[in-house]
Amino acid sequence: EAGVAQSPRYKIIEKRQSVAFWCNPISGHATLYWYQQILGQGPKLLIQFQNNGVVDDSQLPKDRFSAERLKGVDSTLKIQPAKLEDSAVYLCASSPPGGTEAFFGQGTRLTVV
Amino acid sequence: DQQVKQNSPSLSVQEGRISILNCDYTNSMFDYFLWYKKYPAEGPTFLISISSIKDKNEDGRFTVFLNKSAKHLSLHIVPSQPGDSAVYFCAAGGNQFYFGTGTSLTVIP
Repeated sequence: EAGVAQSPRYKIIEKRQSVAFWCNPISGHATLYWYQQILGQGPKLLIQFQNNGVVDDSQLPKDRFSAERLKGVDSTLKIQPAKLEDSAVYLCASSPPGGTEAFFGQGTRLTVV
Repeated sequence: DQQVKQNSPSLSVQEGRISILNCDYTNSMFDYFLWYKKYPAEGPTFLISISSIKDKNEDGRFTVFLNKSAKHLSLHIVPSQPGDSAVYFCAAGGNQFYFGTGTSLTVIP
């Protein structure tokens, strides 16, 4: 079974630029999550989708971050404009219907300079 | 405000001995708890979970213990193997999960 796919693996941008990350969850997984993991910290939930609806985006900085889930499958996370403090690993994860455990992708390491 | 805490950033254990990783949480409403293992440059991998109706769950060499009154859970790995060297995150919650900051385990051959 294919895992959660994310791209790109690495991205370096200058502050004030924009960036987008892509995620393809495990087939059949209804729930999709985006997490931000800053160095030395645990993953922090940014947004949670159930199919293509948002369940929780309370910790998403909506002035600069946006996310969408197309047709309840793939998802993109965008940052515009980026700040230095956005440097982190952005992890996408998905869960099957009725499941609690999240399956994570490899993450995208973002460096803002 | 950190709802899930892993107070030991690192732990070193001899191969064959027991590894005990600890985790504390603050919210008594949390009803599901998970442990993840993370290797460098990879995403976290689910390891083992426990619901609040249990106090112990075992899977091979891995056992998770939950003490609800103390809001504490622990992961026991026995016997520890060099391949267990990784960062271990605990997560707690229900609808949404909060992660600890991780404990880096090194198993010395």
